This record gives sequence, structure tokens and C-alpha cells, in this order.
Amino acid sequence: NAGVTQTPKFQVLKTGQSMTLQCAQDMNHNSMYWYRQDPGMGLRLIYYSASEGTTDKGEVPNGYNVSRLNKREFSLRLESAAPSQTSVYFCASPYDAGTEAFFGQGTRLTVV
Amino acid sequence: GQQLNQSPQSMFIQEGEDVSMNCTSSSIFNTWLWYKQDPGEGPVLLIALYKAGELTSNGRLTAQFGITRKDSFLNISASIPSDVGIYFCAGPSGNYKLTFGKGTLLTVNP
Repeated sequence: NAGVTQTPKFQVLKTGQSMTLQCAQDMNHNSMYWYRQDPGMGLRLIYYSASEGTTDKGEVPNGYNVSRLNKREFSLRLESAAPSQTSVYFCASPYDAGTEAFFGQGTRLTVV
Repeated sequence: GQQLNQSPQSMFIQEGEDVSMNCTSSSIFNTWLWYKQDPGEGPVLLIALYKAGELTSNGRLTAQFGITRKDSFLNISASIPSDVGIYFCAGPSGNYKLTFGKGTLLTVNP
């Protein structure tokens, strides 16, 4: 069972470059989340998708866009990366809305 | 939005000691979740609590759902080196969202 799979695991970007973080889950869950983790800040919700075709802003959405491509996939896009977006990004998918979520391994992004 | 306050922020203990950490909120939660994050990995669910007053164990871990529904506690007994990591509490907030505390960093000295 793969659970939640994120790619890439590591990425270095120059300021102003764009990239898309990919996430896929094979658990047939409706909801998916994107979080960022920074030292001392815990996990902060960037965007979430309650179901296929819907997306909503979380706590820190500025500078990001998302696409819920289908039930399995939820991608996070940085159109113009900034050093403040250096972080570890986690995709997660809950068993049911607002309940225990299963996390991917994370993407460690550095913007220089 | 709802916020979860975790304490302590960090703990340094000797192997074999018991550990206690807690999470509080100004709002009522209907579910409390405790996660552990190993270095370089994503968080993994340890215990889920669904009823006020509920006490649930998972091996050496015990968690309680506070009666007021505004707090939860996690205890680890007889700590071992592999208990090292960040422990997060979490709970549902608003529609479909899962809110996390800032975490407790646990270091266990052998």
C-alpha cells in the first residue's frame, strides 16, 4: 500500500522560478490537504480539497495555487518562488473530512 | 481560526523516564488526534480520541480526551531512544480542515 505519494522529495529553485509539487493517494479518499512545515511553526494548512473538483484556501494560501486533477491527485503550484517559500511541504489525505489524515513523505524545497 | 496550544515546546529526558505533554484550545473539539513525526519523515497517527473523557492506550502511549473537550494529554511511559521526534496534536476545525499544534520536540538521552 503506497498511501500518499509525493514528488519530488527534494528541490532547489531560484527566486522567480515556478514548479509544481505532485501528490497522489490510492486510498479512495475524498479530501486532500497541502501543509507547509517550518521550524517552530508546526504544520500550517495551505489549501485543501474536500472533494474532486473543489478547492479552498487554508491558513497560508498566498503565493500558491492548487489543482484537484481527479480523486487521486492534488497538485500544488508555485508560480514565482520566493525565499519565504523555503519549507517542507506535506500532502495529506484524511479518512474522512476533518478526521485522521495520512501523510506523504514530504518535499523539501529550498528557494535561493 | 481555531488554534491549538501545545506544551512543552521541547523536552530532554533520560531513557526510561515517563513523558507527559498536552494540548489546549479555546474552542471545543469533537476529535483529538496525536501524531508523531520522525526526523525526515511525514507525521504518523499514534492515537485518535472521539469522546470526552476517553482514555486510549497504544503500547507505552496513553492519550486522554479532556472532559471540557478543550484539551488532551499524551503520556509516554518508560521512554526509549526511538521515541525521539516531534509530537503533534490535531483536531478538525471548520469544514473539512484539520488544525495542528506547533508540536513538542522530544529528545531521549540513552
